[in-house]
Amino acid sequence: EAQVTQNPRYLITVTGKKLTVTCSQNMNHEYMSWYRQDPGLGLRQIYYSMNVEVTDKGDVPEGYKVSRKEKRNFPLILESPSPNQTSLYFCASKPPGGINYGYTFGSGTRLTVV
Amino acid sequence: RKEVEQDPGPFNVPEGATVAFNCTYSNSASQSFFWYRQDCRKEPKLLMSVYSSGNEDGRFTAQLNRASQYISLLIRDSKLSDSATYLCVVRNVGGGSNYKLTFGKGTLLTVNP
Repeated sequence: EAQVTQNPRYLITVTGKKLTVTCSQNMNHEYMSWYRQDPGLGLRQIYYSMNVEVTDKGDVPEGYKVSRKEKRNFPLILESPSPNQTSLYFCASKPPGGINYGYTFGSGTRLTVV
Repeated sequence: RKEVEQDPGPFNVPEGATVAFNCTYSNSASQSFFWYRQDCRKEPKLLMSVYSSGNEDGRFTAQLNRASQYISLLIRDSKLSDSATYLCVVRNVGGGSNYKLTFGKGTLLTVNP
């Protein structure tokens, strides 16, 4: 089944403790992206990647890092999480070609930083 | 003006009703338009792309008016399973090769028996 897989689904952590949220897609998509969703603010892009070793900032990149060493994986790294990074995170990928193709999203990671 | 603005809702309608969602976008150079649905605490899922000529998929009809920068979604004969948040989504030109989608905040629809 074609899908985007995120792990973990739920995570509670403490301020300052480094964590990684993994994202993997099995559709051979080149484009991948991370979003966070907060009440009243909607979905906002954190980082994106056009292909292996090509990443760039989205609208809210502060406090996050990403890497793209392989096409299928696009982990999100929080080096020193803070409570304002408590959010629902989604990884997404997009097939190549037409601009009218939408994203496929992962199931989300609900992160709480205390 | 917000990049993508939707009716704040929520909408509560009986089964079988017709419901319309409206959305405006601020960037006249926007390229691509979508409606997504999102069930509570789940990921957004693509409902349909929106084309300039308008398009229909079963009970769902989407319209785009580029002159007015306005997008709509009409759901006919609504079902209980249509209950969800509906997200208006736009892709703007100028992001280089970033296929960034900009999301509206969504409109919650509840269909009641």
